[in-house]
Amino acid sequence: AQTVTQSQPEMSVQEAETVTLSCTYDTSESDYYLFWYKQPPSRQMILVIRQEAYKQQNATENRFSVNFQKAAKSFSLKISDSQLGDAAMYFCAYMKTSYDKVIFGPGTSLSVIP
Amino acid sequence: SQTIHQWPATLVQPVGSPLSLECTVEGTSNPNLYWYRQAAGRGLQLLFYSVGIGQISSEVPQNLSASRPQDRQFILSSKKLLLSDSGFYLCAWSPNPNYGYTFGSGTRLTVV
Repeated sequence: AQTVTQSQPEMSVQEAETVTLSCTYDTSESDYYLFWYKQPPSRQMILVIRQEAYKQQNATENRFSVNFQKAAKSFSLKISDSQLGDAAMYFCAYMKTSYDKVIFGPGTSLSVIP
Repeated sequence: SQTIHQWPATLVQPVGSPLSLECTVEGTSNPNLYWYRQAAGRGLQLLFYSVGIGQISSEVPQNLSASRPQDRQFILSSKKLLLSDSGFYLCAWSPNPNYGYTFGSGTRLTVV
């Protein structure tokens, strides 16, 4: 069964600095999708970034980028120029292609220090 | 535009009482719909998903049930709530499973 692990329950970063959140996953599939979701204090889940496993190029969305290492089954999220609004719980997620369920990791709580 | 609505936002119910949470999607047809539960300080647990009217798949055997009476409506129910049913319930839909989910704003359920 596929699993998603986030080994950092809590992280903190100084405002304007860069932080990297770690995620590893376990799968025997060669084609799949990976996601990072953000859950701010309002608890609204927001899709931050998405990566297709068959694409070697790392996805980027403004200040958010990923480091996708397929062989290592690693999918880290880098947040550059951290802002106070980035403070949230971040969830790494996996989805097997053509299979509709998304599996979420346990989450990393990110604090941004002014 | 496509939107997802979930209500109520907050609910306090006594043990043994029934439950009905509703989720509707607008601006699309035949969406895949999902119910997740998030216990305090924990990750998301998939409860049910539906790929069409009347089609419900259960992921975890428990005190809850789900129904999809209409194409864009997904209901989470319980006949008798337990204390352990407390949590934050999220409805989600996907226009295309490969693009991930769009979530509703969630329902905070407290069973007392």
